[in-house]
Amino acid sequence: DAGITQSPRYKITETGRQVTLMCHQTWSHSYMFWYRQDLGHGLRLIYYSAAADITDKGEVPDGYVVSRSKTENFPLTLESATRSQTSVYFCASRSGGAGETQYFGPGTRLLVL
Amino acid sequence: GIQVEQSPPDLILQEGANSTLRCNFSDSVNNLQWFHQNPWGQLINLFYIPSGTKQNGRLSATTVATERYSLLYISSSQTTDSGVYFCAVVNRGSTLGRLYFGRGTQLTVWP
Repeated sequence: DAGITQSPRYKITETGRQVTLMCHQTWSHSYMFWYRQDLGHGLRLIYYSAAADITDKGEVPDGYVVSRSKTENFPLTLESATRSQTSVYFCASRSGGAGETQYFGPGTRLLVL
Repeated sequence: GIQVEQSPPDLILQEGANSTLRCNFSDSVNNLQWFHQNPWGQLINLFYIPSGTKQNGRLSATTVATERYSLLYISSSQTTDSGVYFCAVVNRGSTLGRLYFGRGTQLTVWP
């Protein structure tokens, strides 16, 4: 299906485990973003990518790693999950300049026990 | 970063009523988007509206960029309109285009 997809949609893991959240978009958008949504904080930017092999930190990058070897994929890895990383994670993409529309994936609900 | 304030934080309506949601932002923007987060948690794009007025069915939005606010109008509300409505903006001059979100308006529509 066309658009932006995330997997898994729901994940339960334990503290200390490595978890990878996947994001895939079919539009060949240059820019991709990872946000987390938490009560009391709204949506906050974790990492972003301007193109394949170009990534940079956002507002709350600690404990996360990203890669972007292909334009269409932007995985987010929690190297050693902590309870504070329990959240809803959204991937987003944008085609052109900074003022263009961003499109969001359906989100991944992560629970770290 | 740019500050985004939404009001009211909560809104409870009966089906058929009209409502206005407001978004104030603290600096010039070159992107403003309205989203609806449905009860399943999905963020649905409603409008891309850095300035001017747009309408889509029962929903319309107006952004007055010079006065740094945007309004979302919902007419003849339905129970399916329930959820959280977010306003998000991009600073004018930003090269990254990172969206800054408001805290949202929680809308509940009763039958």
